[in-house]
Amino acid sequence: QKEVEQNSGPLSVPEGAIASLNCTYSDRVSQSFFWYRQYSGKSPELIMSIYSNGDKEDGRFTAQLNKASQYVSLLIRDSQPSDSATYLCAVNKNTGNQFYFGTGTSLTVIP
Amino acid sequence: EAQVTQNPRYLITVTGKKLTVTCSQNMNHEYMSWYRQDPGLGLRQIYYSMNVEVTDKGDVPEGYKVSRKEKRNFPLILESPSPNQTSLYFCASSLSMSGSGEQFFGPGTRLTVL
Repeated sequence: QKEVEQNSGPLSVPEGAIASLNCTYSDRVSQSFFWYRQYSGKSPELIMSIYSNGDKEDGRFTAQLNKASQYVSLLIRDSQPSDSATYLCAVNKNTGNQFYFGTGTSLTVIP
Repeated sequence: EAQVTQNPRYLITVTGKKLTVTCSQNMNHEYMSWYRQDPGLGLRQIYYSMNVEVTDKGDVPEGYKVSRKEKRNFPLILESPSPNQTSLYFCASSLSMSGSGEQFFGPGTRLTVL
């Protein structure tokens, strides 16, 4: 079983719509959760981090964490063509200081 | 400018020829890490370091070595590269010693082993 699983997509949404990206993780001791964005040919860059259950909002982005269900999601409101990228979910297990990444979800925002 | 640098950016080599990919950060970060990224497999952690002289294996350490003699540098060594190590490699650093904070990634090194 993979540590982190994401739907690889591709996910297509029209400009202005809400894009919803989902991620599940297998190990309940996971403590820290991250969403990274990676444009084609570029390195990943952090969008959001979340450490406790509930929602965390930053501009057009909202991360949601449900530790009981071992589920973390990212909502992108008012999606823009510049949001077209691959979104990587990452989990840190503090017990080992290791990071585990999902394979990423490819998002295309259609103008 | 705060950044993580990697060299070389592109490398084509042959099986068995030892190589080193350098990584340097100028942010005084405690935590540094190496990843490889392969299609369909995503980013996988090779090795990480929580401080000088402290390194540990990640998910896929076989065939790689690292060292952390200075805080800013974290080179990745392939003693005897093989074709299955052809990949895109990223170095990353984080202020937090545990790595629980944001990781800043270098630009990547595309390695081809023939």
